Amino acid sequence: DQQVKQNSPSLSVQEGRISILNCDYTNSMFDYFLWYKKYPAEGPTFLISISSIKDKNEDGRFTVFLNKSAKHLSLHIVPSQPGDSAVYFCAASWGTGTASKLTFGTGTRLQVTL
Amino acid sequence: DAGVTQSPTHLIKTRGQQVTLRCSPKSGHDTVSWYQQALGQGPQFIFQYYEEEERQRGNFPDRFSGHQFPNYSSELNVNALLLGDSALYLCASGYRGQSPLHFGNGTRLTVT
Repeated sequence: DQQVKQNSPSLSVQEGRISILNCDYTNSMFDYFLWYKKYPAEGPTFLISISSIKDKNEDGRFTVFLNKSAKHLSLHIVPSQPGDSAVYFCAASWGTGTASKLTFGTGTRLQVTL
Repeated sequence: DAGVTQSPTHLIKTRGQQVTLRCSPKSGHDTVSWYQQALGQGPQFIFQYYEEEERQRGNFPDRFSGHQFPNYSSELNVNALLLGDSALYLCASGYRGQSPLHFGNGTRLTVT
């Protein structure tokens, strides 16, 4: 049972344009959501997170939107840069003290072209 | 400031053997979690250690066990290896189990 889903395995975007990565979840208990970026041969690197009490969180070029009623979140990258090319994982957790137990999606490979 | 370090980086084992993977958390962190990432999948939670005890466990069999030492470093042990155990094993650390977690670069285990 895939509780966190990233339905787009890959995405190609031109440099300077907006990249939008999507994530859906099924477990309504999730109350904290994160995005991680992963380069080959490296571990996932934390990008940005959002608590379920918010619907938007912004950090520089990265913005995460949360739609709880739709159980959907998205990551916007504006403007996209070639260095953003990586695999992006959406992750979710719930409950105090359980933040180590992240449920990940299967990832979306973003390629930013020149 | 050293991040999360894992050893070894690569490992090849035969079915039925046992393996031990090691992890040192980021400085200042006291909680270690282990994840298994199969090819084409997202990381899957194996278990979390805090104060030298297993605090949470994912859906993994008892062949997977671990340990946390007083210096917060951790080991993951897998017994009776199966071909399906071939994966990237990621260690993540945090402070008191809080997000965000910081991940190491992983150990690539191949079982033949």
